[in-house]
Amino acid sequence: AQSVTQPDIHITVSEGASLELRCNYSYGATPYLFWYVQSPGQGLQLLLKYFSGDTLVQGIKGFEAEFKRSQSSFNLRKPSVHWSDAAEYFCAVGGNQGGKLIFGQGTELSVKP
Amino acid sequence: TAGITQAPTSQILAAGRSMTLRCTQDMRHNAMYWYRQDLGLGLRLIHYSNTAGTTGKGEVPDGYSVSRANTDDFPLTLASAVPSQTSVYFCASSGGTGGYNEQFFGPGTRLTVL
Repeated sequence: AQSVTQPDIHITVSEGASLELRCNYSYGATPYLFWYVQSPGQGLQLLLKYFSGDTLVQGIKGFEAEFKRSQSSFNLRKPSVHWSDAAEYFCAVGGNQGGKLIFGQGTELSVKP
Repeated sequence: TAGITQAPTSQILAAGRSMTLRCTQDMRHNAMYWYRQDLGLGLRLIHYSNTAGTTGKGEVPDGYSVSRANTDDFPLTLASAVPSQTSVYFCASSGGTGGYNEQFFGPGTRLTVL
């Protein structure tokens, strides 16, 4: 079955600390992988995506993610978190079955001053 | 550019009543989607449309219907609402149906069914 798992429901980090949000997927074909961010009361915004090529992808707002096929993972990282990064983060997987995406459960990020 | 607009922003609805959630995009995107977001479950696809005149079922289509009469509009109808349809509903669009296409999301409609 196709699925996305984000093991951490809620993470709290201190401002300036590094961040890693985990994402594991199960997909029967070549996956297209996405990270979206949702600020409170807003829709989702794309942070970055991977569909081929270099397995380390750069996104907006200083985020990056690394695709590891052997681990079926696509973890999101940021070297230094800012208070404005507090939001909910969603990992999603799609493929060649049209544009339908499967989302993970989301990870809520809180940032301590 | 407005992108995707959704209406209403929020609604309280009595069980058994019908309601249509509206979604309009101004990006001339071919593909459009409806998701529901529930705590702990992320976003789940309800229905989608790859182009005007066609629609398809997603992961959780029961109790919902959609139509796509033109490129810009993709309304979602609840014919007879039930409390389990209490959720936040997001409309999205993308420029193509390839799995690598970014989806653009509207601001959402918060629906409470009592």
